[in-house]
Amino acid sequence: EDKVVQSPLSLVVHEGDTVTLNCSYEVTNFRSLLWYKQEKKAPTFLFMLTSSGIEKKSGRLSSILDKKELFSILNITATQTGDSAIYLCAVPNQAGTALIFGKGTTLSVSS
Amino acid sequence: GAGVSQSPSNKVTEKGKDVELRCDPISGHTALYWYRQSLGQGLEFLIYFQGNSAPDKSGLPSDRFSAERTGGSVSTLTIQRTQQEDSAVYLCASSLAAGRSGNTIYFGEGSWLTVV
Repeated sequence: EDKVVQSPLSLVVHEGDTVTLNCSYEVTNFRSLLWYKQEKKAPTFLFMLTSSGIEKKSGRLSSILDKKELFSILNITATQTGDSAIYLCAVPNQAGTALIFGKGTTLSVSS
Repeated sequence: GAGVSQSPSNKVTEKGKDVELRCDPISGHTALYWYRQSLGQGLEFLIYFQGNSAPDKSGLPSDRFSAERTGGSVSTLTIQRTQQEDSAVYLCASSLAAGRSGNTIYFGEGSWLTVV
């Protein structure tokens, strides 16, 4: 059964801290892994990873994939209160017809 | 349109009533998805439409749930005889095509359903 497991489920940090969010997966016929940020209702796309060892970076956020160990990490440096959100990790299912999501990591950044 | 549009944004209904949730995908996107997100949970896949192909209904939790996509564009998710456990945010998403690694899925703002 395809599945995605994220950890930790929740995290509270102070502004300026660096955080690492984890995502492990099991899926037949791996295609890609995606990270989304969900602040209110609509998840917004952050990264898509398809190759191991190649870091994707956008500002203070970066992510990398390890296809051998079947996991990805999302790093946020110098966190800000605006980073407070649920961070979702997902992989396409075997048929490629839908994304399988983890339960998310709820990040709270206090000032 | 510019993004995925969903309506209503909020819906409160009495247990046992039927509800319809609407999704208007991004223009030109052939793939359309419905997900459900209960409080504190991840996104649960419900149904997927791709062009004129038969939909993948494997995620629908019961026969009270159904969805249509007319004309390859707008989709309606119908929940019959609603139960309190149906309370959740129902998110619609669309993409250029399903499954291919180069296509990103874009989400709407969701419809928050509360069954009382």
